[in-house]
Amino acid sequence: SYVLTQPPSVSVAPGQTARITCGANNIGSKSVHWYQQKPGQAPVLVVYDDGDRPSGIPERFFGSNSGNPATLTISRVEAGDEADYFCQVWDSSSDHPVIFGGGTKLTVL
Amino acid sequence: QVQLVQSGAEVKKPGASVKVSCKASGYIFTNYYMHWVRQAPGQGLEWMGVINPNGGGSTRYAQKFQGRVIMTSDTSTSTVYLELNSLRSEDTAMYHCACPYYYGSRSFDIWGQGTMVTVSS
Repeated sequence: SYVLTQPPSVSVAPGQTARITCGANNIGSKSVHWYQQKPGQAPVLVVYDDGDRPSGIPERFFGSNSGNPATLTISRVEAGDEADYFCQVWDSSSDHPVIFGGGTKLTVL
Repeated sequence: QVQLVQSGAEVKKPGASVKVSCKASGYIFTNYYMHWVRQAPGQGLEWMGVINPNGGGSTRYAQKFQGRVIMTSDTSTSTVYLELNSLRSEDTAMYHCACPYYYGSRSFDIWGQGTMVTVSS
């Protein structure tokens, strides 16, 4: 089965840039989506189709997928960005088409 | 506005069944698939399956849950249901319905608030 690998944690100081990776075999051939989840809340889509942002998501959130790994970059990090981040792909060849990465805890120092 | 409202928390004993509801509003219910995703405490997101609320309510389940899960829909109330049988402690989790609404069919931009299911003797 297809596995998405994320680092368990990333730490960054306020104002700096955070990069969260999502690695998998041939991930460049898939569309990658990213979710932010704060404690006690449902996930929120922050990037879809590799690099598009839903309405209301700041431009500070940037997604890229030009090969392994795919990356979510958060520039000018704020305290409010502290959350878990999950990548997700759709594997149409699988009987388990929706796959999530294990998640990355972003800590703002 | 588009929203999904789920039923309240449940506490069940091992071996029992649970049925969680997810009521949609603000959009044409039958036009969009509905997925179920669960999250055990402190763990990641796990996809359980999907239902097409239109017509016959076709479903597709993750292999892990085959034989234990049933997803249904009621178009008269714009509600989908998740039923999980033969509960075990490992099923203790927050269960979310999620809908790919605005941004294509393969990412989830609308989520229910979650229903906590606790399995304990």
